Amino acid sequence: GAVVSQHPSRVICKSGTSVKIECRSLDFQATTMFWYRQFPKQSLMLMATSNEGSKATYEQGVEKDKFLINHASLTLSTLTVTSAHPEDSSFYICSARDARGASTDTQYFGPGTRLTVL
Amino acid sequence: DQQVKQNSPSLSVQEGRISILNCDYTNSMFDYFLWYKKYPAEGPTFLISISSIKDKNEDGRFTVFLNKSAKHLSLHIVPSQPGDSAVYFCAASAQGGTSYGKLTFGQGTILTVHP
Repeated sequence: GAVVSQHPSRVICKSGTSVKIECRSLDFQATTMFWYRQFPKQSLMLMATSNEGSKATYEQGVEKDKFLINHASLTLSTLTVTSAHPEDSSFYICSARDARGASTDTQYFGPGTRLTVL
Repeated sequence: DQQVKQNSPSLSVQEGRISILNCDYTNSMFDYFLWYKKYPAEGPTFLISISSIKDKNEDGRFTVFLNKSAKHLSLHIVPSQPGDSAVYFCAASAQGGTSYGKLTFGQGTILTVHP
């Protein structure tokens, strides 16, 4: 159990375009999902917390107008990188918190999306 | 401000021996700790966790020890296997307040297990 999927796994886009990344919890409901970004050989940096049915909470320094998050259902959250630039190229990973168990802080991660902006 | 630190960027161990990965934290509000394993270009895989009310949690070959007074935790893998070779991340969260559910990650330690 506790499987999280992401789509697409890899995307290449032109500078100035927008890219949408989907994150789905496949076998559980996730009221909260998280979006992370990882640069090469660095740790995972939390970008925002996505709550079903409400606005996302962004970490300091993350532009909410650039990284649009929508959590329309208990199994789906989307991250849209708007007007992408080469510096947005990174590995984006989502996670979902399984609220069924006793350890509600355990997050299960998707496989990640490699974004390359040309 | 690195609140969770993994000071060893890499660790090399012989197959069958014990691997010990260390993690230190500075935020006294952290009360839940997790270890994740990660391969390149993949998402982290949850391994084991521990609540601050415990000082040890064991699951098969993996044991996590927590020393709250020293703000230190460690992951022991015994016996180590070549398939354990990956990057290991320590993560911490605080259950209370607006930080609930947020994970703060360490920088990761690359574990290599030699046959």
